[in-house]
Amino acid sequence: GENVEQHPSTLSVQEGDSAVIKCTYSDSASNYFPWYKQELGKRPQLIIDIRSNVGEKKDQRIAVTLNKTAKHFSLHITETQPEDSAVYFCAAQNYGGSQGNLIFGKGTKLSVKP
Amino acid sequence: NAGVTQTPKFRILKIGQSMTLQCAQDMNHNYMYWYRQDPGMGLKLIYYSVGAGITDKGEVPNGYNVSRSTTEDFPLRLELAAPSQTSVYFCASTDSFLSGNTIYFGEGSWLTVV
Repeated sequence: GENVEQHPSTLSVQEGDSAVIKCTYSDSASNYFPWYKQELGKRPQLIIDIRSNVGEKKDQRIAVTLNKTAKHFSLHITETQPEDSAVYFCAAQNYGGSQGNLIFGKGTKLSVKP
Repeated sequence: NAGVTQTPKFRILKIGQSMTLQCAQDMNHNYMYWYRQDPGMGLKLIYYSVGAGITDKGEVPNGYNVSRSTTEDFPLRLELAAPSQTSVYFCASTDSFLSGNTIYFGEGSWLTVV
């Protein structure tokens, strides 16, 4: 089945710097790659996603890039702010037999220091 | 429109007890999921369903059972609770990955087995 590796597990940056989180996936059939932000004690919230027919997608300070050949995708946050501090999860859709299986990475704890 | 509703929010179980985590969505979504999240870890898929009457195992199904008798409800059953099942459980739903719809998560159910 699908396996998603996420790095780094923790990331500390100064306010205003950029942050990059990388994920690799194993199933070449995966075609949907969302990123979730989870604040302490709360549910995961979708922040951006990308499909396999697109190489890059941007939404204000957040961007995601996808390299299908290498099977990796990355989250880029520019001009980080303290409220960006949270745990970020990448995920990949594994078609399998039901086209509904979403597998998550282990998460990256981002700390933005004022 | 309540979205995805999970109950209970908190529960303490004794080893060997049974319980059911309830999940309901009012968005007429076909796809529903149960994930567990251990402290400091990512989300592991327990079971999922692509429609009423259809369920399938995820990554970590052992010790759990599900049913999907209606589109709205997707309860998760723990038959003989074990300490290893201490976790936060998230229910989620989506209309269809193929249409690019967002996965909506419930607020989570904190379960402790002692």
